Amino acid sequence: NAGVMQNPRHLVRRRGQEARLRCSPMKGHSHVYWYRQLPEEGLKFMVYLQKENIIDESGMPKERFSAEFPKEGPSILRIQQVVRGDSAAYFCASSPRSTDNTGELFFGEGSRLTVL
Amino acid sequence: EDKVVQSPLSLVVHEGDTVTLNCSYEVTNFRSLLWYKQEKKAPTFLFMLTSSGIEKKSGRLSSILDKKELFSILNITATQTGDSAVYLCAVLSNSGYALNFGKGTSLLVTP
Repeated sequence: NAGVMQNPRHLVRRRGQEARLRCSPMKGHSHVYWYRQLPEEGLKFMVYLQKENIIDESGMPKERFSAEFPKEGPSILRIQQVVRGDSAAYFCASSPRSTDNTGELFFGEGSRLTVL
Repeated sequence: EDKVVQSPLSLVVHEGDTVTLNCSYEVTNFRSLLWYKQEKKAPTFLFMLTSSGIEKKSGRLSSILDKKELFSILNITATQTGDSAVYLCAVLSNSGYALNFGKGTSLLVTP
């Protein structure tokens, strides 16, 4: 049973370009979470999605960031017009149920974005 | 604002030592506290604690929660080099879906 799959593992972008990060949850999981880890910082929640719905985006920056989890295909975190401060590791996690039931998440290995 | 503080930030021990990692929190409407182990890849789940005073145990690792004093400890006995990792503490509240993580404790076990 494959775990949470993220790609790309490493992404380099120049300022002003767009970054797209993909996440395929574990088989049977319909809840996806995105977290960001800045250097020397803890994991910070960004957004929680179920299929075709954004449930909680309270951790997402108001501009340039968006997320989706379509009916078919992976969840995508999109960052438009990237800036150097967006350089971070972006982790996706999935669960079979909402965290208000268990709190346990299964994490992917992360996508490391570097903005030049 | 909810807060999770882990200590120490880093720790170096010799194989065979016992270590205790600390996690204190301030969270509105506490629901559960979780421990994760992060090596160079994905954080992996260790324990979830919801009740005070009940120890969770898995092999050489154990953890306990004190909801009155608002902290948890993670113990590792007879440490091995494979225990070297960053240990993350996270708290979940009843008022949202987000796990609130501390900055982690970086543990290095030397041979």
